[in-house]
Amino acid sequence: EAGVTQSPTHLIKTRGQQATLRCSPISGHTSVYWYQQALGLGLQFLLWYDEGEERNRGNFPPRFSGRQFPNYSSELNVNALELEDSALYLCASSRRLAGGELFFGEGSRLTVL
Amino acid sequence: DQQVKQNSPSLSVQEGRISILNCDYTNSMFDYFLWYKKYPAEGPTFLISISSIKDKNEDGRFTVFLNKSAKHLSLHIVPSQPGDSAVYFCAAKDSGTYKYIFGTGTRLKVLA
Repeated sequence: EAGVTQSPTHLIKTRGQQATLRCSPISGHTSVYWYQQALGLGLQFLLWYDEGEERNRGNFPPRFSGRQFPNYSSELNVNALELEDSALYLCASSRRLAGGELFFGEGSRLTVL
Repeated sequence: DQQVKQNSPSLSVQEGRISILNCDYTNSMFDYFLWYKKYPAEGPTFLISISSIKDKNEDGRFTVFLNKSAKHLSLHIVPSQPGDSAVYFCAAKDSGTYKYIFGTGTRLKVLA
């Protein structure tokens, strides 16, 4: 069974540009969570999608947005990139409202120059 | 407001000895607690979890203890191995919002 997959692995952008990160959850999982891990910091909760709906979001500005597709894959968009957006972006999936473990992908490293 | 705290940024332990990683939380709505292990530039790997209705869960070398009255959980690794060297995150799920809140991590170094 394939795990959570994320793309791209690495992405380099300049300030003001937009970045799009993608995530495919484990088969059978309908919940997708996004986290940001800036250098030297912990995992900060960004967004939670379940059954195609945004269910909750963390304390991030509106330029962080995303969506979940009918096949439960998800996309994270970061608009008007700032230098401090440079981080490892992690996607995790779980069964719908199961309240169990989150399974993480390998992450997408975003660098903003 | 840091709802999940790991107050020790780092810990060094000799191979074969016990590693004890600690985590404190403040939110009474947390009903599920997890420990993850993370290597640099990789995603966290799930280790072990515990429901709020239990006070101990064991899986091989890993045991998690939960003290609800103290809002404290700990991860014991016995015996510690060099391959255990990594950053360990504790996490807690809010039963109302289904948010998973992570601590800031503890870097464990197991010395051979």
